[in-house]
Amino acid sequence: DQQVKQNSPSLSVQEGRISILNCDYTNSMFDYFLWYKKYPAEGPTFLISISSIKDKNEDGRFTVFLNKSAKHLSLHIVPSQPGDSAVYFCAARTNAGKSTFGDGTTLTVKP
Amino acid sequence: DTAVSQTPKYLVTQMGNDKSIKCEQNLGHDTMYWYKQDSKKFLKIMFSYNNKELIINETVPNRFSPKSPDKAHLNLHINSLELGDSAVYFCASSQDGRAVGTGELFFGEGSRLTVL
Repeated sequence: DQQVKQNSPSLSVQEGRISILNCDYTNSMFDYFLWYKKYPAEGPTFLISISSIKDKNEDGRFTVFLNKSAKHLSLHIVPSQPGDSAVYFCAARTNAGKSTFGDGTTLTVKP
Repeated sequence: DTAVSQTPKYLVTQMGNDKSIKCEQNLGHDTMYWYKQDSKKFLKIMFSYNNKELIINETVPNRFSPKSPDKAHLNLHINSLELGDSAVYFCASSQDGRAVGTGELFFGEGSRLTVL
């Protein structure tokens, strides 16, 4: 049972446009949602998070939106830059400290 | 200075062998983890230790045995390696795995294990 799903394995956008990455979850007990970014041959790095009691968190070009009723979150990157090209993982965390990851979306930003 | 370092980065070995992957973090974190990324790119938690105490133990074969000599180190030993163990293994740490808060993970670069 995959509790966190990223249904789009890949996304391609033009530089300067908006990138929208989506994530769905099934477990209502998750209390934090996080996005990680991963370059080839490196470990994932934390990007941005949102608490389950909020519906939006913004950090520079990155904004995460949470729709609890739909059990859906999305990461918006605007404007997208070629350096944003990477694999993006959505993760959901319980208060016991366990983070469950989606299977990633590969973002390609074309110059 | 690397925050979470794991060795070796690459490991090629024969079926049936025993191997270890070492992990060290210099962030002063209390909690360390092992994640496995298989061929489908899915990151799945295997173990978590908080201050040398095992707190998460997912359904992982007994051939996998984590060892935490102190809170800065979490090693993974694998006995009787099988073809299906081929994957990238990531070590990670967080400030406190059970605290209220984001608890973001800091990952090492990964150790690619290939079993022939």
